[in-house]
Amino acid sequence: QKEVEQNSGPLSVPEGAIASLNCTYSDRVSQSFFWYRQYSGKSPELIMSIYSNGDKEDGRFTAQLNKASQYVSLLIRDSQPSDSATYLCAVRETGANNLFFGTGTRLTVIP
Amino acid sequence: GAVVSQHPSRVICKSGTSVKIECRSLDFQATTMFWYRQFPKQSLMLMATSNEGSKATYEQGVEKDKFLINHASLTLSTLTVTSAHPEDSSFYICSARASGRGQGTDTQYFGPGTRLTVL
Repeated sequence: QKEVEQNSGPLSVPEGAIASLNCTYSDRVSQSFFWYRQYSGKSPELIMSIYSNGDKEDGRFTAQLNKASQYVSLLIRDSQPSDSATYLCAVRETGANNLFFGTGTRLTVIP
Repeated sequence: GAVVSQHPSRVICKSGTSVKIECRSLDFQATTMFWYRQFPKQSLMLMATSNEGSKATYEQGVEKDKFLINHASLTLSTLTVTSAHPEDSSFYICSARASGRGQGTDTQYFGPGTRLTVL
């Protein structure tokens, strides 16, 4: 049974700070990794996908993947109050159809 | 990113009635669609996976006769909650995965969700 673990939080950071969100997964055949953001009462929206070890940057967001250590993280630079949401980590095995989601980390950016 | 629509966005119905929710991929073909349910302050729970033209695969504990799924085309899947009861009240979210191969088709896009309230 695949497990995807996230610290449920809440994680609070001041506006302008770097928010660091972490996710670990239980097996080594996971090949595709995703970060979704979910605002309260809304459905998840894709922020980033990452497939290779290392960093991937997109604007204020940086995803980091370390397959040997089985973790993937998301850094949010210059955090804004509008970044306050629940961030979901998701993984997929090669050839598999569905994603396995973590329970999400609730982030609050304090103005 | 790709667009997935859901209709209706919100529905209130009486206990015992059936409710149909539509999920459409608007700008891509989706061989696989997923249906999730989310209760307040809880994570997404996968209900079933549907592939175009075949029967859906339901997760353990999800009643296939109660939650009817039809994936009749590459752009449309429907979820029908039959004989709905108050405990079925939840946020139902569909998700679609693009067809084809390659990392670009590896991504799941979510619809905006349907909030069901059963009185």
